[in-house]
Amino acid sequence: GDSVTQMEGPVTLSEEAFLTINCTYTATGYPSLFWYVQYPGEGLQLLLKATKADDKGSNKGFEATYRKETTSFHLEKGSVQVSDSAVYFCARNQAGTALIFGKGTTLSVSS
Amino acid sequence: DAGVIQSPRHEVTEMGQEVTLRCKPISGHNSLFWYRQTMMRGLELLIYFNNNVPIDDSGMPEDRFSAKMPNASFSTLKIQPSEPRDSAVYFCASSVAGAGNTIYFGEGSWLTVV
Repeated sequence: GDSVTQMEGPVTLSEEAFLTINCTYTATGYPSLFWYVQYPGEGLQLLLKATKADDKGSNKGFEATYRKETTSFHLEKGSVQVSDSAVYFCARNQAGTALIFGKGTTLSVSS
Repeated sequence: DAGVIQSPRHEVTEMGQEVTLRCKPISGHNSLFWYRQTMMRGLELLIYFNNNVPIDDSGMPEDRFSAKMPNASFSTLKIQPSEPRDSAVYFCASSVAGAGNTIYFGEGSWLTVV
């Protein structure tokens, strides 16, 4: 069935390191793609999104590009900070359906 | 602006008791979602509504779970009777219906069944 697969965590990095969290999806048609972030004890917040192929979503230094040919939406940041420590969720939806989430990737950044 | 409001934020209850979780979506949003989050299963969609009508309840675990949306500004998720395996964080979320539209989450109701 339709699903979202993201890399297993946890991901542990030093401050200012480069971050990549891989995400691939399966879907019929052309879904919209999202990255959400969850800080400890809080709900999910939208980080960025892309609604069509080749779109790039960006926010707070994070970027992800909608790649239809590889069915991917990898999250990247050039220089992570301690405050980026959180759980990151890749998600997709299509018209008439709810968001389907990946299992989440925990990022831990140390100073 | 008020976001999605959930209550209670935390609840501890005994096995067999009825639990009611409440949600007020963002004003003007016509889609409402209930998700459950556990370490083992991640984020699972339980049910979602469009214009107060349940569209997909295939994620509701079993008959002990029920959800209602009597009007555009209120929804409940009820568990009766509750069991320890229902312990989880339950999130309500809302959006304007449409594939590319952002879904906004509440802060969650943290349920512990002992």
